[in-house]
Amino acid sequence: AQTVTQSQPEMSVQEAETVTLSCTYDTSESNYYLFWYKQPPSRQMILVIRQEAYKQQNATENRFSVNFQKAAKSFSLKISDSQLGDTAMYFCAFIKNRDDKIIFGKGTRLHILP
Amino acid sequence: NAGVTQTPKFRVLKTGQSMTLLCAQDMNHEYMYWYRQDPGMGLRLIHYSVGEGTTAKGEVPDGYNVSRLKKQNFLLGLESAAPSQTSVYFCASSSAIMTGTSYNEQFFGPGTRLTVL
Repeated sequence: AQTVTQSQPEMSVQEAETVTLSCTYDTSESNYYLFWYKQPPSRQMILVIRQEAYKQQNATENRFSVNFQKAAKSFSLKISDSQLGDTAMYFCAFIKNRDDKIIFGKGTRLHILP
Repeated sequence: NAGVTQTPKFRVLKTGQSMTLLCAQDMNHEYMYWYRQDPGMGLRLIHYSVGEGTTAKGEVPDGYNVSRLKKQNFLLGLESAAPSQTSVYFCASSSAIMTGTSYNEQFFGPGTRLTVL
C-alpha cells in the first residue's frame, strides 16, 4: 500500500523568505503522480503543482517549485518570496498511474509572518 | 459553472440523529468522492463512485452510506451520528480515466463542517 508522510506538522517563516516543505512517500509503483495541494483558511482545496514520476525535470509554477528525488522517494515543495496569502495547510498527495484514488499526507500548516 | 457544491455548509447533530450531505457537480464528471478531514489526519477517503449507480468503499467507510442515483449528485448519509463523526467533509469529482490519460485532476467542493454532540 502507498503511504505519504509529511514530517513537519507546522512551520512559520517571515514574509519574502523562502520555505521548503518536506514530503516522502512509499510505493512499489514505477509510474505515478505527485501533488501539492493548498488549503487556505477558506477550506477550499487548491492544486498548487503536480509532478509526473516519469519526468526527471522538476515542476515549477511561478513561485512554487518541487524537488523530486525519485530514488529517495522524496517530493519537497519550495515557496520562494513567500507572501501572506501563502498562509495555509499544505498537503502532499500521491496517485498511481490510471488509478482513481489519491492518497494524502497529513498536512503541514504554514504561517507566513508579516 | 458552479463546479462542485456541497449542502449544507455547517450542521450540528445530536448523537443518534441521521442526516444526508449532498454533493453536486456540473462538470459531467464520472467519478465522485467523499473525504473526511480531521486535525492531524489529512484527508481520508470514505466512499467513492466511478459512475452513476455505482459506489465503493474507501479507507474509512464505517458508519456512512452513499448513493449515486444521478450522475451529477453523490449523497453521503449518516444513519446514526456519533461524536467520532465530527469532522469536515469534502466532496470531489473528476472525469474518468480514458485511454491515453493517466489520471484526472480532482475538483473539490468547499466542505461541510459537521459537529455531533
